[in-house]
Amino acid sequence: GQNIDQPTEMTATEGAIVQINCTYQTSGFNGLFWYQQHAGEAPTFLSYNVLDGLEEKGRFSSFLSRSKGYSYLLLKELQMKDSASYLCAVGLENDMRFGAGTRLTVKP
Amino acid sequence: SAVISQKPSRDICQRGTSLTIQCQVDSQVTMMFWYRQQPGQSLTLIATANQGSEATYESGFVIDKFPISRPNLTFSTLTVSNMSPEDSSIYLCSVGERGYTFGSGTRLTVV
Repeated sequence: GQNIDQPTEMTATEGAIVQINCTYQTSGFNGLFWYQQHAGEAPTFLSYNVLDGLEEKGRFSSFLSRSKGYSYLLLKELQMKDSASYLCAVGLENDMRFGAGTRLTVKP
Repeated sequence: SAVISQKPSRDICQRGTSLTIQCQVDSQVTMMFWYRQQPGQSLTLIATANQGSEATYESGFVIDKFPISRPNLTFSTLTVSNMSPEDSSIYLCSVGERGYTFGSGTRLTVV
């Protein structure tokens, strides 16, 4: 089976830093994806990691450790508009499997 | 990355009827995916659609309930057949490339 685990909900303060963790156990691996999804909208791509290490893209960074089956998404300088669900997904040979998503609430 | 036009964006349907959702991609893609997102939940893969062959369905989804067409490399449809309130969900198509791109989604409510 495919297991992708991430926290259900997180809360953080505007201007702070938050780290959303994701652990996975899958039958294959073709990259780790992070998506942002605002309520009522389709997911939008944030990042993709296929090699170990940190990928930085503006306020967002994503980390991958393949040996540990672990990734995290780091959001810096949080803004109110960052309140959304963040989906961790593992790319398989021919498709993608999603975690249940982490609902992040940013408070003033 | 590819741009996907998905329609309808939303619909309210009577139980027992069927709805066909369309996805048009602005470039040729080999694989297209159909997902369902039930209220408050993450995405679940329904099936993978390849041009020129039958769709491959995931466990729990069957062709009679969710027939899929893939007539060419830029277009696909998903039909939700004989709908019941349990089918109320968001349905999304996506294309198989790095950073999988999603259509805007179809919000279906069955009454």
